[in-house]
Amino acid sequence: GESVGLHLPTLSVQEGDNSIINCAYSNSASDYFIWYKQESGKGPQFIIDIRSNMDKRQGQRVTVLLNKTVKHLSLQIAATQPGDSAVYFCAAYYGGSQGNLIFGKGTKLSVKP
Amino acid sequence: NAGVTQTPKFRILKIGQSMTLQCTQDMNHNYMYWYRQDPGMGLKLIYYSVGAGITDKGEVPNGYNVSRSTTEDFPLRLELAAPSQTSVYFCASSIPGGTEAFFGQGTRLTVV
Repeated sequence: GESVGLHLPTLSVQEGDNSIINCAYSNSASDYFIWYKQESGKGPQFIIDIRSNMDKRQGQRVTVLLNKTVKHLSLQIAATQPGDSAVYFCAAYYGGSQGNLIFGKGTKLSVKP
Repeated sequence: NAGVTQTPKFRILKIGQSMTLQCTQDMNHNYMYWYRQDPGMGLKLIYYSVGAGITDKGEVPNGYNVSRSTTEDFPLRLELAAPSQTSVYFCASSIPGGTEAFFGQGTRLTVV
C-alpha cells in the first residue's frame, strides 16, 4: 500500500540558516508529491508540489528535490525565519478518477533566534 | 472568504454516543476529504468524495460514515463512539486533480 514517511521527527535550526526536511516514500505510482505546513492549532497549509516526472521545483524561499531512484524527496527552506516554525508534512497525491492525498507523519521544525 | 468551515471546534463524547462533524466549503470544490490526526502522527484519510453523491473509503473508514448531498457540505458521522476515535479531525477540499487541498481548522474530539 501507499506509505509516506519522514526521517526525523524534529529539526532545530538557527534563524537565518537553511533547513532541510526529508521524506521517503514507498509507492512510485503517485502523480505528485506535496509539502504542507501545519502551525500549532491550525489545519495544514499547502507550500509547494512537484510532479513525479520532475527533479526539482523552486518557490519563494523553498525548493523541493525529488530523487525517484531512492524514493526520496526533500524540502529546503532558505534563510529560515521564526515564522517557519511548524510541523511539515510530505504527502503523495494519487490522481485518476479517485484522487486522494496520503500524508506522512511530519517533522517539527523549531527555529532558534 | 470563509474557505472550509468545521463545526464544532471541540467536543467530548461518552463511549457509545454518536455525533456528526460538520464541514462546509464555499469554494465550489468538487473534491472533499476527511482526515484524522492522532498525536505525533500524520493525517490519515477516513473518507473522501469527488462530487455530490459520490463517496469512497480512505485508509481508516471503520466507525465512520459520510454523505455528500451537495457540493458544499460533507458531514462525517460517528456511530457508537469509542476511545480509539479520540483525535483531531480535519476536513479539506480541492479542485479535481488539485494537489492544493484547503483545510478547515479542525475538530478536537475526545471520547471518554
